[in-house]
Amino acid sequence: QSALTQPASVSGSPGQSITISCTGTSSDVGGYNYVSWYQQHPGKVPKLMIYGVSNRPSGVSNRFSGSKSGNTASLTISGLQAEDEADYYCTSYTTSSTYVLFGGGTRLTVL
Amino acid sequence: QVQLVDSGGGLVKPGGSLRLSCAASGFTFSDYYMAWIRQAPGKGLEWVSYISSSAINLHYADSVKGRFTISRDNANNSLYLQMDSLRTEDTAVYYCARAELSGTYALDYWGQGTVVTVS
Repeated sequence: QSALTQPASVSGSPGQSITISCTGTSSDVGGYNYVSWYQQHPGKVPKLMIYGVSNRPSGVSNRFSGSKSGNTASLTISGLQAEDEADYYCTSYTTSSTYVLFGGGTRLTVL
Repeated sequence: QVQLVDSGGGLVKPGGSLRLSCAASGFTFSDYYMAWIRQAPGKGLEWVSYISSSAINLHYADSVKGRFTISRDNANNSLYLQMDSLRTEDTAVYYCARAELSGTYALDYWGQGTVVTVS
């Protein structure tokens, strides 16, 4: 099964808000509240930012929020800061034999 | 604090085998599902395998099914990935990760990664 679809890149200026989309199907994103988002800085280990569509782990800034509509999940970062510049990946459980799907990743550039 | 330490990576020829290990500490290992995730050079993340807390349920990505075997030793707080019939496309950094407890398949702690090169 194909990966979840994310835009290759997004950008924004400090203080602005941006949204990264993650599009799947009713067999994954649309069918279950099992969407997670990870942040990865270059050369670093991925960090969980959102789980269960909209839940933030302890310690993650409330500038990060998640939502879902139909087969598309979204990660919104408000009040952009320079340290938010990173790659972001979505994942979802899927009913296919693949079991878990990752998105292709989105490079966020803070201008 | 929660710690996951990956090891066992290295250089191997196509068709060869490697066994990755992940030593866990700082939490009750036997309570958690665990996973292996990989990242090829310059590429995105790819889920490889999941194992339930009791090792009854095992899941694999289609790309590794039949070649890789995930296992765990709850007595020794360790996770393993036996990789056989390795291919050049298996070259990647391999991370072990812990699945958070509420059952959303999210991975809340990750190891530092171990590099596997098939060439």
